[in-house]
Amino acid sequence: TQLLEQSPQFLSIQEGENLTVYCNSSSVFSSLQWYRQEPGEGPVLLVTVVTGGEVKKLKRLTFQFGDARKDSSLHITAAQPGDTGLYLCAGSGNTGKLIFGQGTTLQVKP
Amino acid sequence: NAGVMQNPRHLVRRRGQEARLRCSPMKGHSHVYWYRQLPEEGLKFMVYLQKENIIDESGMPKERFSAEFPKEGPSILRIQQVVRGDSAAYFCASSTRDKMNTGELFFGEGSRLTVL
Repeated sequence: TQLLEQSPQFLSIQEGENLTVYCNSSSVFSSLQWYRQEPGEGPVLLVTVVTGGEVKKLKRLTFQFGDARKDSSLHITAAQPGDTGLYLCAGSGNTGKLIFGQGTTLQVKP
Repeated sequence: NAGVMQNPRHLVRRRGQEARLRCSPMKGHSHVYWYRQLPEEGLKFMVYLQKENIIDESGMPKERFSAEFPKEGPSILRIQQVVRGDSAAYFCASSTRDKMNTGELFFGEGSRLTVL
């Protein structure tokens, strides 16, 4: 069974601080995605990483896929209150279904 | 281009009743996924369907739950004889054939089921 473990589960920081969220697995994934979900809404795709070692940047967000394609990280620089939300990593296995981590709830206080 | 449409957004049922949740995928998307989410948790995979076919239902309870995606019309997730433990948000997502293996899904806003 493919599992994704996210850490930390909860994170509360002040505006302007940096943070990193981790997503780990013992399984290899063909790709990993990061989604962001706000209360009362569905998840929205932020990025897809496919190649081992790949780094993608989206404004203040930096995503990295591990060399072995088993883990990923999300780094946010100078967090803003608007970054508050639930961040979910998800892995696409070889069965066509997407498996999600348990999520990291981020709160950025002004 | 309308996104993934789910209805109802909120549904209240008493124990023993049936719940039917509908999902219309994005235009041109032939793959539909249903996920269940409890508060402040990740999404648990339930079932993956293509038109008229169930591809993977490994996450769906064997009893009381069923899903379909007919040739015409929306996908339906049906829960019979609901119990309190079925209370959750149920999300539908869709993708195109070429994005299926990269996990790039588009999600609806969810249907929140409350069982009294």
